[in-house]
Amino acid sequence: KAGVTQTPRYLIKTRGQQVTLSCSPISGHRSVSWYQQTPGQGLQFLFEYFSETQRNKGNFPGRFSGRQFSNSRSEMNVSTLELGDSALYLCASSLATGLTYEQYFGPGTRLTVT
Amino acid sequence: AQSVTQPDIHITVSEGASLELRCNYSYGATPYLFWYVQSPGQGLQLLLKYFSGDTLVQGIKGFEAEFKRSQSSFNLRKPSVHWSDAAEYFCAVGFSGGYNKLIFGAGTRLAVHP
Repeated sequence: KAGVTQTPRYLIKTRGQQVTLSCSPISGHRSVSWYQQTPGQGLQFLFEYFSETQRNKGNFPGRFSGRQFSNSRSEMNVSTLELGDSALYLCASSLATGLTYEQYFGPGTRLTVT
Repeated sequence: AQSVTQPDIHITVSEGASLELRCNYSYGATPYLFWYVQSPGQGLQLLLKYFSGDTLVQGIKGFEAEFKRSQSSFNLRKPSVHWSDAAEYFCAVGFSGGYNKLIFGAGTRLAVHP
């Protein structure tokens, strides 16, 4: 079974631009979560989607948003990029939600904001 | 608020030596506990998990972890470390009703001397 895939793997953007990252979960998994990883703040939860609905949200500004499609694929968007948004963005998929389930992570998208 | 502490930022061991990575959590109820490993430039790989039942759990790559409720700990162990185990290790906690939100520790970077 194929793992979690994320595209693109690397991205360079300029301050003020916006960016969209994509995540395809493991086949049969319906929950997708997003995390930001930085050297200073570590791994932080952004949000989780299940059945095209956001079920949980971390403590990030409204510039960070996401969505999920009917095939469980998910995208996250960051608008008005800031230098501090440079990070590795990881998505994770799991079978279901409500409780906490095993989550399987993709390789991440490395975003650099200049 | 829930939190996870990994007291050791860096650990160096010799190949063939035993390993113990420490993890303490702060959460009022029984948590869901995970250990992940991350190699440079990669996503997170799930090593093992604890949801309930036997407090000693076995994982992949010869790792095990023990849940000690009285100490709020979930330490990761391996009896004999291989050079390929050099990576960063993250402890994470989830909760009932947490909608797959994981709180991660800051990570422990493991170096292995030949």
